[in-house]
Amino acid sequence: EPEVTQTPSHQVTQMGQEVILRCVPISNHLYFYWYRQILGQKVEFLVSFYNNEISEKSEIFDDQFSVERPDGSNFTLKIRSTKLEDSAMYFCASSLGRNNEQFFGPGTRLTVL
Amino acid sequence: KNEVEQSPQNLTAQEGEFITINCSYSVGISALHWLQQHPGGGIVSLFMLSSGKKKHGRLIATINIQEKHSSLHITASHPRDSAVYICAVDYGGATNKLIFGTGTLLAVQP
Repeated sequence: EPEVTQTPSHQVTQMGQEVILRCVPISNHLYFYWYRQILGQKVEFLVSFYNNEISEKSEIFDDQFSVERPDGSNFTLKIRSTKLEDSAMYFCASSLGRNNEQFFGPGTRLTVL
Repeated sequence: KNEVEQSPQNLTAQEGEFITINCSYSVGISALHWLQQHPGGGIVSLFMLSSGKKKHGRLIATINIQEKHSSLHITASHPRDSAVYICAVDYGGATNKLIFGTGTLLAVQP
C-alpha cells in the first residue's frame, strides 16, 4: 500500500541553524501539506502546496519557513534559522485532490537546542 | 473562531467495552476526519465523512451536520485500540487545511 515517507525521523540542531525536513508524498497525489505538533499540544496546519506553489499558509509559516518540490517526488520544508520554539513533530501529508482524505507520514521530531 | 472540541479528553475503558468519543465544531464544514495517533507519534486516517455514517471493522463514525457534531464509536474495545483519537475538520472552499481538535487519549485495559 502506498504511503507517505519522511526523513529523518529525528533531527537535533542548534538554535540558529538551518534544517531541511524531507517528505516523499504518495506518487499520484497532487496536494501536499506540512503540519506540526508541539509536545503536548494539538496538531497545527503550516502550509499547503499545489501545482508548485503555496496554496495556503498559516500565521506560523513566517519568512523563516519555505517549502519546495525540487524534483517531482520530494517535498521539503526548510527552516532557515531555527528557534527553540520550533522544536516539534513535523508531519507531511498528501492528498489526491483538494478536500480529499489526507495521508500522513510518520513525522520528523525536530529538537532545537 | 473556528474551533474543534473533543470530549472526553481522557478515557479509560475495560477490554470489551463500547466506547464513544465526541467531536463538535463551530461552523459549517466540507468534511470531518477521524484520525488515530499512537505513542511515537504517527497519524493514521480512520475516516473522512461529510454526512451519515461510516463503518470499518469495529469502528463506526457518525456525523450530524445540523448539530455540528460527530461521534467515533469503538465496539468490543481491545488494548490495541489504546491511542489518541483526533477529530479534524476541513472547511472546504478555498482552503484545504485541516483544523485539529486536541484529541482523546484512550486507554483500554485488559
